[in-house]
Amino acid sequence: DQQVKQNSPSLSVQEGRISILNCDYTNSMFDYFLWYKKYPAEGPTFLISISSIKDKNEDGRFTVFLNKSAKHLSLHIVPSQPGDSAVYFCAAKPPGNTPLVFGKGTRLSVIA
Amino acid sequence: DTAVSQTPKYLVTQMGNDKSIKCEQNLGHDTMYWYKQDSKKFLKIMFSYNNKELIINETVPNRFSPKSPDKAHLNLHINSLELGDSAVYFCASSKQANSYEQYFGPGTRLTVT
Repeated sequence: DQQVKQNSPSLSVQEGRISILNCDYTNSMFDYFLWYKKYPAEGPTFLISISSIKDKNEDGRFTVFLNKSAKHLSLHIVPSQPGDSAVYFCAAKPPGNTPLVFGKGTRLSVIA
Repeated sequence: DTAVSQTPKYLVTQMGNDKSIKCEQNLGHDTMYWYKQDSKKFLKIMFSYNNKELIINETVPNRFSPKSPDKAHLNLHINSLELGDSAVYFCASSKQANSYEQYFGPGTRLTVT
């Protein structure tokens, strides 16, 4: 019962181009969504988030889009850099003292 | 000055043994978590403590026992280790229990042989 799905296990993009990572969710009670980035042998680090009342949040090269009607969010990285190569986890949170629910992650490789 | 630290980073042990993983955060956060990342790569919550009190206890075998001596520390003790316990265990913390952003430790890779 995967409430948060990242259907692409991997993605390769050329340096300088746009990377688009996708995430779908099933629970309409989620009120906050986050993207985490993980390098090998390290813990996930917070990247960017979006509240369910918004449809876009931008931070430098990173933009997250939320489509509530489609229960879909995406992370755009423009321009992509080799240092962006990592596993990206989508996570969602219901309200209250409830845990984050994570997707399986998408491995992004940015090729120089 | 690592924000969330875990020890050990790697742990190899035999079935049936008992082992502990330690976690410390120096962020002044109230809430700490243990996650398990299994072979299928899902990050799943196991436990959460808020100010030393257990607030989340997902369906986890009772061989796993968390202990929070103070709000900066959350340790995980595992009894009678099984092959299926092999995974990467991540500790995390957040300002409060209903905070969205969590800060993760580097993980402990446990291998049970």
